[in-house]
Amino acid sequence: DAGITQSPRYKITETGRQVTLMCHQTWSHSYMFWYRQDLGHGLRLIYYSAAADITDKGEVPDGYVVSRSKTENFPLTLESATRSQTSVYFCASRSSGGAGGELFFGEGSRLTVL
Amino acid sequence: DQQVKQNSPSLSVQEGRISILNCDYTNSMFDYFLWYKKYPAEGPTFLISISSIKDKNEDGRFTVFLNKSAKHLSLHIVPSQPGDSAVYFCAAALSFNTDKLIFGTGTRLQVFP
Repeated sequence: DAGITQSPRYKITETGRQVTLMCHQTWSHSYMFWYRQDLGHGLRLIYYSAAADITDKGEVPDGYVVSRSKTENFPLTLESATRSQTSVYFCASRSSGGAGGELFFGEGSRLTVL
Repeated sequence: DQQVKQNSPSLSVQEGRISILNCDYTNSMFDYFLWYKKYPAEGPTFLISISSIKDKNEDGRFTVFLNKSAKHLSLHIVPSQPGDSAVYFCAAALSFNTDKLIFGTGTRLQVFP
């Protein structure tokens, strides 16, 4: 099916563990984004990518690593998870640069760090 | 620092009435503004946008108003319907060509019969 999919949808892990959240889109969109949603903070940009092998930091990049070896995939890795990284994570994609292009979001990945 | 603020975390409106969701921003360099809507267990979806060269943009039941001098925008939904019950996020960008969007904290709208 076409669209943007995230996996896993739900994940519970322990402090210090490495966790990777996957994001896959079938539109061949150039731009991909990772946001986290927290009460009182709304959606905050973690990292984004303008194309394969091009990534850039957002508002809250500390503790996260991204890669984009293929256009369709944009995994987000927490190398050593902390409780403060408990959140709902949203991946999004856009066909072109610029805020005017519509962002298409995945359904989210709820991560709990114990 | 929250550059885009939605000071009302929730709003309850009767079906058929007007819903007004507010958003304030602190950075006067923001030039392009958007509203996204989010249902539970789903990702946000784009609703409507406005450029700073305009003070109003309308799309069906949804109208966004921008007051640049007050650094304030609002989303009006008329008439409100139960299906409009969702969380609404406003977002801002430094320009139409900027890749990054700065989102607000969200307002949960509940439309009751």
